Amino acid sequence: GDSVTQMEGPVTLSEEAFLTINCTYTATGYPSLFWYVQYPGEGLQLLLKATKADDKGSNKGFEATYRKETTSFHLEKGSVQVSDSAVYFCALSGGNFNKFYFGSGTKLNVKP
Amino acid sequence: SQTIHQWPATLVQPVGSPLSLECTVEGTSNPNLYWYRQAAGRGLQLLFYSIGIGQISSEVPQNLSASRPQDRQFILSSKKLLLSDSGFYLCAWSSGTYNEQFFGPGTRLTVL
Repeated sequence: GDSVTQMEGPVTLSEEAFLTINCTYTATGYPSLFWYVQYPGEGLQLLLKATKADDKGSNKGFEATYRKETTSFHLEKGSVQVSDSAVYFCALSGGNFNKFYFGSGTKLNVKP
Repeated sequence: SQTIHQWPATLVQPVGSPLSLECTVEGTSNPNLYWYRQAAGRGLQLLFYSIGIGQISSEVPQNLSASRPQDRQFILSSKKLLLSDSGFYLCAWSSGTYNEQFFGPGTRLTVL
């Protein structure tokens, strides 16, 4: 079945460091891929998405490219800020009633 | 624009008591609706989803149930709460397939 695997956290970085959070997926069809961010005590917010192979989603300095050949959708940011501290979830939509499959989440801590 | 509401925001209930959490969506018609649970420090577990009024699919057998009495209303219920029902409950909606899900602010449930 469909599934998402993302790197374990927590990830601790200094401000202005480069961020990569790895995400790989397994899917039988042609899913859409998403990154969500969750701040403490809040719901999930859509960060970016990609709907087909080689698409690049981007938002607020974050980027992720839909790589079908490696079944990956890694999240990157060139220079993180303290305000980026949150939990990041990778997800795919398998198309079946638009059910989502989420990774386990990666907590990011950015130190000043 | 579309908005999603959940209430209550927080709830403390004794073991064995009933539960009713409500979710409503504004600004869209015939949305797909979802209930998730997030245990402390964990990922998201899909509990129920609905593609229309009265159409509920359960993902995990447990003592919870869901209902959709109106197009944009989704209710999560239990007759008797267990300690293991504690967690952060998130409602989400989407339209069509392969599209993003939009999340509500969540309900923090503590069962004592």
